[in-house]
Amino acid sequence: GESVGLHLPTLSVQEGDNSIINCAYSNSASDYFIWYKQESGKGPQFIIDIRSNMDKRQGQRVTVLLNKTVKHLSLQIAATQPGDSAVYFCAETLLADKLIFGTGTRLQVFP
Amino acid sequence: DSGVTQTPKHLITATGQRVTLRCSPRSGDLSVYWYQQSLDQGLQFLIQYYNGEERAKGNILERFSAQQFPDLHSELNLSSLELGDSALYFCASSVRLGSETQYFGPGTRLLVL
Repeated sequence: GESVGLHLPTLSVQEGDNSIINCAYSNSASDYFIWYKQESGKGPQFIIDIRSNMDKRQGQRVTVLLNKTVKHLSLQIAATQPGDSAVYFCAETLLADKLIFGTGTRLQVFP
Repeated sequence: DSGVTQTPKHLITATGQRVTLRCSPRSGDLSVYWYQQSLDQGLQFLIQYYNGEERAKGNILERFSAQQFPDLHSELNLSSLELGDSALYFCASSVRLGSETQYFGPGTRLLVL
């Protein structure tokens, strides 16, 4: 069953295309940002992180971009696969205080 | 598998009852965090413990309490349960204090009838 809200923004992409998921964060002083992937019925799974002294970080098939000027974070997934279908959350933190999660975006990958 | 374990996986109980959720952090992690995820509110931070001591509090109700034991496992106690407490409860852990990744457990799904 679903573990997150029913009214999430949804991004639908075709398998093999690139996906871009966006997030607006709340605190201009936040110094650490994380993207999590949450599949139905499971806990959030770490994907990639970035510190505020960077504006881009790449992982395997994923890239995170940070624009501090407009408090915007994005997650780019290359060659999206069916297994990428999930809800994606950005999270911010300041000095290791609580994580503040965004509302989440549902990614649907169709063949 | 994140290395964080939570029990039980599912819990069904009645209003007014009390339950205890248990979390074991990843080996070596000193910080434990509790989050609540409900359908209409997303992930909400409840409370954080570091090496046995409470470090930060979020939107945790007075009916809820938590503790971290010397072996670093943590328990979240929910009392006088209400229908609105039905949610997924996640535990996360990290090595220490500092801006770093928190690793989440699989969660406990609580249903209050």
